[in-house]
Amino acid sequence: EAQVTQNPRYLITVTGKKLTVTCSQNMNHEYMSWYRQDPGLGLRQIYYSMNVEVTDKGDVPEGYKVSRKEKRNFPLILESPSPNQTSLYFCASRPQGQGSNQPQHFGDGTRLSIL
Amino acid sequence: AQSVTQPDIHITVSEGASLELRCNYSYGATPYLFWYVQSPGQGLQLLLKYFSGDTLVQGIKGFEAEFKRSQSSFNLRKPSVHWSDAAEYFCAVGTGFQKLVFGTGTRLLVSP
Repeated sequence: EAQVTQNPRYLITVTGKKLTVTCSQNMNHEYMSWYRQDPGLGLRQIYYSMNVEVTDKGDVPEGYKVSRKEKRNFPLILESPSPNQTSLYFCASRPQGQGSNQPQHFGDGTRLSIL
Repeated sequence: AQSVTQPDIHITVSEGASLELRCNYSYGATPYLFWYVQSPGQGLQLLLKYFSGDTLVQGIKGFEAEFKRSQSSFNLRKPSVHWSDAAEYFCAVGTGFQKLVFGTGTRLLVSP
């Protein structure tokens, strides 16, 4: 089954404690992306990657890092989390070939609470 | 800069009634347009998409949307709503800069 898998699904942690949210896709997609969803703001892009070792900032990259060492994985790293990063996070992927007209496949989300 | 506006935060529709969710976009070129649905605790599922051609597009679950360039709109419709359609709906525009810009969402409530 084609899917995007995020882990963990839920996490409560404290300010300053480094955490990583993993994302893996089994569709051999080149493009992967991270979003955060906040009430009244919709989804905002944090980072995206067009292929292995190619990443770029989205609209709200501050406080986040990503890496793309393998095609299937695109982890989101919060090196020093703060309460304003409490949010619902989504990973997504799509084929790169035809650009942004390809629909993205989304994971089920990770709810992070930073105390 | 590109943007998407969904003017209705919440909409309540009676089961069996028709539905229209509004979406307006701002983008200088021909947009790629999408509607996604998010059920509670779930990720986003693609309902339909518009790239070019016929301006009335059909999607899954009985949904359709019409692209109107003159109004910069891409409204989502369904002739008869089912209780299982209660969810949050997002309109999005894809741009040539590898980005997908989302609206703020419309939460659909279905009353018996």
